Amino acid sequence: KAGVTQTPRYLIKTRGQQVTLSCSPISGHRSVSWYQQTPGQGLQFLFEYFSETQRNKGNFPGRFSGRQFSNSRSEMNVSTLELGDSALYLCASSSDRLTDTQYFGPGTRLTVL
Amino acid sequence: GNSVTQMEGPVTLSEEAFLTINCTYTATGYPSLFWYVQYPGEGLQLLLKATKADDKGSNKGFEATYRKETTSFHLEKGSVQVSDSAVYFCALAVNTGFQKLVFGTGTRLLVSP
Repeated sequence: KAGVTQTPRYLIKTRGQQVTLSCSPISGHRSVSWYQQTPGQGLQFLFEYFSETQRNKGNFPGRFSGRQFSNSRSEMNVSTLELGDSALYLCASSSDRLTDTQYFGPGTRLTVL
Repeated sequence: GNSVTQMEGPVTLSEEAFLTINCTYTATGYPSLFWYVQYPGEGLQLLLKATKADDKGSNKGFEATYRKETTSFHLEKGSVQVSDSAVYFCALAVNTGFQKLVFGTGTRLLVSP
């Protein structure tokens, strides 16, 4: 079974631009969560989607948004990029139950110049 | 609020040494506790978990016991290998489900031959 895949793996943008990151979950998984990893703040939860609906949300500004498609693939979008948005963005998928283990992808490294 | 505190790293050990990485938590309600490991250039992998007090999670020689009285979940391994070199994250989830994890800052482990 293929694991969680994230595209692109690396991305360089400039301040003020917007960016879209993609995540394909493990086949059969309907929950997708997104996390931001930075040296200063560590790993922080962004949001979780289940069956195309946002089920949980972290404490990030409205510039961070996401969506999930009917095939469970998910995208996250960051608008008006700031230098502090430079981070590793990790996606994780799990199946239906709230107590199911999350499986993480390798991440997308975003650099904002 | 919910939070996890881990010991600062790096932890530097020789091969076959005993490993302890301390983790304490603060949570409302009754959290489930996790240890994740991140190898260089990769996403996070679940190492072990415990869902209630006095449970012991174990995997690949690593163990951690959920201690409610001390709000701790310390990671231990009797004999580390060079291949165990990685960053280890302690995390918790409360009643919103395992899809919204609160992570500690991570502890880097370096094992030398």
